[in-house]
Formats: sequence, C-alpha cells, structure tokens
Amino acid sequence: EAGVAQSPRYKIIEKRQSVAFWCNPISGHATLYWYQQILGQGPKLLIQFQNNGVVDDSQLPKDRFSAERLKGVDSTLKIQPAKLEDSAVYLCASSQQVQETQYFGPGTRLLVL
Amino acid sequence: GNSVTQMEGPVTLSEEAFLTINCTYTATGYPSLFWYVQYPGEGLQLLLKATKADDKGSNKGFEATYRKETTSFHLEKGSVQVSDSAVYFCALRGTGNQFYFGTGTSLTVIP
Repeated sequence: EAGVAQSPRYKIIEKRQSVAFWCNPISGHATLYWYQQILGQGPKLLIQFQNNGVVDDSQLPKDRFSAERLKGVDSTLKIQPAKLEDSAVYLCASSQQVQETQYFGPGTRLLVL
Repeated sequence: GNSVTQMEGPVTLSEEAFLTINCTYTATGYPSLFWYVQYPGEGLQLLLKATKADDKGSNKGFEATYRKETTSFHLEKGSVQVSDSAVYFCALRGTGNQFYFGTGTSLTVIP
C-alpha cells in the first residue's frame, strides 16, 4: 500500500513570494490533515478535512494560508505572501476516519529568505 | 486547554541501556495518548497508543502506561538498540479530535 505522498520535498523562496504544497493521501482515507512543524517544536495542526469539507481550521492563519481538497482526494496548501516565520516543515497526514490512526507523509521543508 | 510537555533532549545512551522519555499532559476531558517516532529522513510513524486510563500501549519493545492520576505517559524500553535512534514525539488527541504534539526528544544510541 502506497503511503502519503508530498511534493515538493524542499522549497526555497523569498519573503512575499507565494508557494504551494501538494499532498496525496493513502487511497480510501477520508480524513486529511496539514501540520506545520517549526524547527525544535512539535507539529501543529493547521487544517483538517473530512472528504472535501473542512472540519477544523482554527489554527490556520487565514490572511495568508489557504488549503483545498476539492475532490476529496488530494489537497493543496498555499501560502501567499510568505513570511520569514513560515520557514518550517509542512506535514500532510491521512486517516481512514477522524479517530483512526494518522499516517504521515515525508513532509515539505520550506525555507523563506 | 490541551498541551503536552516532553522531556528535553537530546538523549544519548549506550546500546542495551534502559530508556525513559518523560511525557506529561494537560487536557480537558479524557484524551487519547500517543507516541510517534521519526527516523532520520522519514515521516512520523505511530509507535504506540493508549485510549483510556491504565491502558498500556506497547510496540517493538517500547511501552507506555496512561496514568491519569499523574497525567503522564512516559515511554520506556528495557534495552535500546542503535536502530532506535530517532526523534520521539508524545501527543494527545483531545475531545475535539485535534492532535497536540510535544516538542520531541532526540535519542541517539551508540554501539
């Protein structure tokens, strides 16, 4: 069974530029999560989808971050415009349903200069 | 609110030593508790979990017991191996199904 796929693996941009990350969850998983992991900290949930609907986006900085999962399968997370403090690893995870085990992708490491 | 406090690292042990990584939590209601592991260059993987008080999660020789009276979920292993070198994260899932992670503890096991 293929795991959670993410791309790109690494991205370097300058502040005020925009960037997008892509995630393809495990086939059949209804729930998809995006986390931000700043160096030296644990992952922080940004947004959670159940199929193509948003379950929780309370910690998503909505003035610059957006995410979608239009067909209830893969998802895109966008930052526009990026700030220096957005430098982090962005993790995508999926689970069959909300209370099931989460499986994590390898993450996208973002550096904002 | 919900939060997880983990023992700070890094931790360096010799092979076959006993491992304890402390984890305490603050939560409303009755959370589920987890340990995740991140091996070098890989994504987070679930190591073990416990869903109610006094439950013991175990996997690959690691154990952790959900202690409601001390709000703790310490990770232990009797004899570590070089292959256990990784970063370990304690986490809780609150009543709203949101996950809260600790800051992670880096473990290096030397031969």
